[in-house]
Amino acid sequence: EIVMTQSPATLSVSPGERATLSCRASQSVTSNLAWYQQKPGQAPRLVIYGASTRATGIPARFSGSGSGTEFTLTISSLQSEDFAVYYCQQYNHWPQSFGLGTKLEIK
Amino acid sequence: QVQLVQSGAEVKKPGASVKVSCKAPGYTFTNYGISWVRQAPGQGLEWMGWISDYNGNTNYAQKFQGRVTMTTDTTTSTAYMELRSLRSDDTAVYYCARGSKYQELYYFDYWGQGTLVTVSS
Repeated sequence: EIVMTQSPATLSVSPGERATLSCRASQSVTSNLAWYQQKPGQAPRLVIYGASTRATGIPARFSGSGSGTEFTLTISSLQSEDFAVYYCQQYNHWPQSFGLGTKLEIK
Repeated sequence: QVQLVQSGAEVKKPGASVKVSCKAPGYTFTNYGISWVRQAPGQGLEWMGWISDYNGNTNYAQKFQGRVTMTTDTTTSTAYMELRSLRSDDTAVYYCARGSKYQELYYFDYWGQGTLVTVSS
């Protein structure tokens, strides 16, 4: 099974600043990587798929990059509604697997 | 408007079974597949398996094989997930999520609101 490692576990950033979240795969997943945002008590919401394509309705301040084993989610200017837990998911190898998440909190 | 609407919370005793439903109004049900993903309290996301709403094909995570059954009713655009022989560590929120109709390896663009299943004696 592919192990997805997210770092850091918690990231403290001030509103208006940039946030950079990392996700590493234990072996190459090509570009078959997605990012999800989850707020307390809510279901996850798709943010990025195909490593770099924004999902419907996702603001342009969210961007994804990377391929192979190293991936990054960048939020260029944090808004209050962006503070949440973010999960990466690989869907290149069976079984698909998620990282443990990065909690993005207000500094 | 795409929606996945799940059934309500359940409380079960160890050894019992639970069946969670996921109704999908708002899009052509048979053009997609449904995966089930669970989240234990305070934990991350765990993929359980997938069913194609197109042809009924299924693929279950090894951990759940023999204990889970996923089905669909295309006449009501509803997917079901039954988990048997429940244990306390099955306590979790169970989500249905929309994916590909052809394969289980896909991202999930819409999610149900989640169903809390509590297993307790």
